[in-house]
Amino acid sequence: AQRVTQPEKLLSVFKGAPVELKCNYSYSGSPELFWYVQYSRQRLQLLLRHISRESIKGFTADLNKGETSFHLKKPFAQEEDSAMYYCALMNTGFQKLVFGTGTRLLVSP
Amino acid sequence: NAGVTQTPKFQVLKTGQSMTLQCAQDMNHEYMSWYRQDPGMGLRLIHYSVGAGITDQGEVPNGYNVSRSTTEDFPLRLLSAAPSQTSVYFCASSYRGGDEQFFGPGTRLTVL
Repeated sequence: AQRVTQPEKLLSVFKGAPVELKCNYSYSGSPELFWYVQYSRQRLQLLLRHISRESIKGFTADLNKGETSFHLKKPFAQEEDSAMYYCALMNTGFQKLVFGTGTRLLVSP
Repeated sequence: NAGVTQTPKFQVLKTGQSMTLQCAQDMNHEYMSWYRQDPGMGLRLIHYSVGAGITDQGEVPNGYNVSRSTTEDFPLRLLSAAPSQTSVYFCASSYRGGDEQFFGPGTRLTVL
């Protein structure tokens, strides 16, 4: 069975501080992992996916198969990064996307 | 393009009532899905469809029905609403399963 764990419900940092949102997964196959973000009063949207290896809005995430993790990182947080972040895993058949419980990031000035 | 649209935005039902949440997309996406979002539980997949005429169950399908008669539309039916179905419901679509999913604005449902 697929499972995604985000251990932190809330992460509060000051502007300019580094950010790491944790995501661990459990899946027997080869995972396809995503980070989705929901800004206030906006729709849930894709932030990045591991296969693209891109940096979006300064965020990066590296898939670590040994630790079964896909942590989201940003070296210097900005106030506009405040949002709800969801880690998600797609199964090998590309049919079911399973979300973690989400982490709310609050960046204070 | 309107993207993914959902109606209604808000709905209040009494226990036992039935209703249909509408979802439509104009991007010619094959894959569509329904999620419910509950505090502390994230988004959970209710049903999904990989194309017109093809649907399957997700994590929490009980109490919900879906059909996919056209590529554009993917309605979610609550057969007999229960308070446990109070939630925010999101519809999403993607070109294919595994691609970026585009989400609708959500429907906030309260069952009394």
